Amino acid sequence: NAGVTQTPKFQVLKTGQSMTLQCAQDMNHEYMSWYRQDPGMGLRLIHYSVGAGITDQGEVPNGYNVSRSTTEDFPLRLLSAAPSQTSVYFCASSPDRGRGGPNVLTFGAGSRLTVL
Amino acid sequence: KQEVTQIPAALSVPEGENLVLNCSFTDSAIYNLQWFRQDPGKGLTSLLLIQSSQREQTSGRLNASLDKSSGRSTLYIAASQPGDSATYLCAVDRGSTLGRLYFGRGTQLTVWP
Repeated sequence: NAGVTQTPKFQVLKTGQSMTLQCAQDMNHEYMSWYRQDPGMGLRLIHYSVGAGITDQGEVPNGYNVSRSTTEDFPLRLLSAAPSQTSVYFCASSPDRGRGGPNVLTFGAGSRLTVL
Repeated sequence: KQEVTQIPAALSVPEGENLVLNCSFTDSAIYNLQWFRQDPGKGLTSLLLIQSSQREQTSGRLNASLDKSSGRSTLYIAASQPGDSATYLCAVDRGSTLGRLYFGRGTQLTVWP
């Protein structure tokens, strides 16, 4: 099983450019989320989705858009990149809480983004 | 807002020592508490998950305890090895169906031979 796959692993952007970080999971997980990790800040939730067609904001959503057209994919879009968005981004997924069981997240390997 | 604090921020020990990593959280209304391991340049790997009804979980040389009333969890690593060197993150789940995790900043552990 591939688990959670993130692409690209590294990206350098100029201020104002747009890009999409891709996230795909092959575990039929209902819940998917995006976190960013900054030095000394821990991981912070950007956006999340509890199923196809349903998305919502997390703690730090400004400057990011998401969509969930399929169960497998949850892309994160930066419409106009800013230096403050330089970070490591992690996608994570888990089975639906409503079907029982704890919310054990499976994380992707991360995407390191630098905005100049 | 839930706040998660991990102490110490960094720890360096010789191989073979038993050690304890600490995690505290401000809101005791949690559903789960998880300990993760993160290696440099890698993603997070879930080590142990403690549900709110449990007091501890064990996996090999790792033992995690949870005291909801005091808002504390500890991760005990027995007979540490250089391969245990990594950053250890604690995260709590407030129990909504949305499964949002609140993370601490981590403890960076170095085990030297």
